[in-house]
Amino acid sequence: NAGVTQTPKFRVLKTGQSMTLLCAQDMNHEYMYWYRQDPGMGLRLIHYSVGEGTTAKGEVPDGYNVSRLKKQNFLLGLESAAPSQTSVYFCASSKQGNQPQHFGDGTRLSIL
Amino acid sequence: AQSVTQLGSHVSVSEGALVLLRCNYSSSVPPYLFWYVQYPNQGLQLLLKYTTGATLVKGINGFEAEFKKSETSFHLTKPSAHMSDAAEYFCAVRVYGNNRLAFGKGNQVVVIP
Repeated sequence: NAGVTQTPKFRVLKTGQSMTLLCAQDMNHEYMYWYRQDPGMGLRLIHYSVGEGTTAKGEVPDGYNVSRLKKQNFLLGLESAAPSQTSVYFCASSKQGNQPQHFGDGTRLSIL
Repeated sequence: AQSVTQLGSHVSVSEGALVLLRCNYSSSVPPYLFWYVQYPNQGLQLLLKYTTGATLVKGINGFEAEFKKSETSFHLTKPSAHMSDAAEYFCAVRVYGNNRLAFGKGNQVVVIP
């Protein structure tokens, strides 16, 4: 009964380092999303995917890259981490674009 | 573009009192509307949704919301607050044409014993 699983749950990086956040879903959903959540800002969409092999930019894509090589996985990459990217990152998936989204428990990322 | 407004970032309610969270949306097409709840250190969970049909929608944990087209609103209510209702609540509207949701900034609900 896993749903959406995010790895890792916590991470501390130094400015300039790179890393990849992994999202895996076991519900055979077509759509997957990456959000960041900051105090007072709600959720802001970084990138999303409407199917295997596709990606699209959301509201705040700068400084991030994504890949959807397999239907069940959606990777979020930070090429050169900056303190402004300190945030909680959430992955979500949905069967279709107008269906409810299922969320993971988040990754808390600090950039020093 | 579709968007959602939630006023009052923090809402305090006494245990046993009515919970009312306001959500107003803008949309040029018939909206799909959602309310999500987020408990501390967790992801968002769906409370309820409106797509078409009955305008009064019932969700989990005793919450309900009413879609009012004339007021472009989708307010969330619960008749009697419990301590376990302390959480952050987000309203969201489907953005027509590009398969994503637009979220409001959220309401942090504090329940006072």
